[in-house]
Amino acid sequence: ETGVTQTPRHLVMGMTNKKSLKCEQHLGHNAMYWYKQSAKKPLELMFVYSLEERVENNSVPSRFSPECPNSSHLFLHLHTLQPEDSALYLCASSVTQQGEQYFGPGTRLTVT
Amino acid sequence: QQQVKQSPQSLIVQKGGIPIINCAYENTAFDYFPWYQQFPGKGPALLIAIRPDVSEKKEGRFTISFNKSAKQFSLHIMDSQPGDSATYFCAASLPGTYKYIFGTGTRLKVLA
Repeated sequence: ETGVTQTPRHLVMGMTNKKSLKCEQHLGHNAMYWYKQSAKKPLELMFVYSLEERVENNSVPSRFSPECPNSSHLFLHLHTLQPEDSALYLCASSVTQQGEQYFGPGTRLTVT
Repeated sequence: QQQVKQSPQSLIVQKGGIPIINCAYENTAFDYFPWYQQFPGKGPALLIAIRPDVSEKKEGRFTISFNKSAKQFSLHIMDSQPGDSATYFCAASLPGTYKYIFGTGTRLKVLA
């Protein structure tokens, strides 16, 4: 595997389910990001981890819970989501602050 | 002040045409302006980036023009090809931060 990988690629979940999104980067980068991409809206930065420490949390509802166990892996734990949370969730990584961000292919999440 | 306004929302050109996508910002502290290209089913990928001390940057058929006084920057695609059909995002970031502010995206279609 190369670059940034995300699993699953598609996820359908009910509002009462609990699921997790996984991201893995094979680039040796130090920073990892979660973004939400909705139609006709700018990419929204949700969380940033640098060297496994959370450095940015953009007022994201507590039903989204990130976890970064090491510099190569990032998770987004989901519980009791709302239909408006349906979107493409993108993971990215970079070497440093302001460094080029490399994106994964995303997880298309549908909340029913 | 943290917004980046991108236009047009969508654009259709003939093969060989020169599509131009424009972005405007308010915060003069932004110091890094990347453009990302996103194909369906893929994550965004860095295309080209510029810093405000440069008025123009070219990479292959892609050119960024930067007007610091007007607080605007634009992407030009020379000799556009059907394979350039994608969504293009501009972004801006502040010094020493991980945070990119993205525009809303421009969906480009190049007709064969």
